[in-house]
Amino acid sequence: DGGITQSPKYLFRKEGQNVTLSCEQNLNHDAMYWYRQDPGQGLRLIYYSQIVNDFQKGDIAEGYSVSREKKESFPLTVTSAQKNPTAFYLCASSIEGRGTDTQYFGPGTRLTVL
Amino acid sequence: RKEVEQDPGPFNVPEGATVAFNCTYSNSASQSFFWYRQDCRKEPKLLMSVYSSGNEDGRFTAQLNRASQYISLLIRDSKLSDSATYLCVVTAGAGGTSYGKLTFGQGTILTVHP
Repeated sequence: DGGITQSPKYLFRKEGQNVTLSCEQNLNHDAMYWYRQDPGQGLRLIYYSQIVNDFQKGDIAEGYSVSREKKESFPLTVTSAQKNPTAFYLCASSIEGRGTDTQYFGPGTRLTVL
Repeated sequence: RKEVEQDPGPFNVPEGATVAFNCTYSNSASQSFFWYRQDCRKEPKLLMSVYSSGNEDGRFTAQLNRASQYISLLIRDSKLSDSATYLCVVTAGAGGTSYGKLTFGQGTILTVHP
C-alpha cells in the first residue's frame, strides 16, 4: 500500500532535549511538508521541500530543522530552541509541490514536552 | 487580518439537515482552493477542490466567489458520519517562495446528532 508514515505516534520529551520526528512516503512524490497544529488552530507550515537536497522555511521555522537526503524521507528535528514545542505535527507530500497538487497527510505525531 | 478565516462553530445539526460553512481569504492572487476534512485526533484528508464554476460531489457542494474572496461548502442531508472539522485551504499565487504553499483556516467543527 502506498502512503505516508510518521513515527512515533506519541512522543514525550523533557525540556532542553532535541527530538527527531520521522516521515517516510512511498508515493514517489517530489514535494514534502511539515506542519504544526495547535488546538483550535489551523495547520501552520514549518518547512517544505520540493526536491531532494533542497528545502525552504515555512511560516514558523524557528527552533526546527529538517533534511532531505532521500526522496522518501523528510525528518523534522525539534530543537531545544523551540519555545513551545507541544503540538500535533503533521507531515504531508504532493506530486510536485504545485499549488494545484493535492497534499496527502501522514497520521501525525503528538509531541508533549514535560 | 488572517489570511484564511472560517467561522469556528461549533455547528450542531440533526441528521438530515442542510448546513453551510463559509470561508474568506485575504490574498486576491490565490490560485487554488480546497476543503479538507479532519476527524478528531486524525490527519486532514481532502474532501474536494473548489472550482470557479462551483462543483458538486454527492451531498457536498463547493462554491467560489473570487470577487468577494469567499468560499463556501454546503452539506445536504447530513449524516452522523459527517461529524468532523472542516478546513478551508487556499494556495498562494504561483511564483517565488509561496509556490504550492497551502494556507489553512482554523476549521469549522460540525456535529451531527440523531
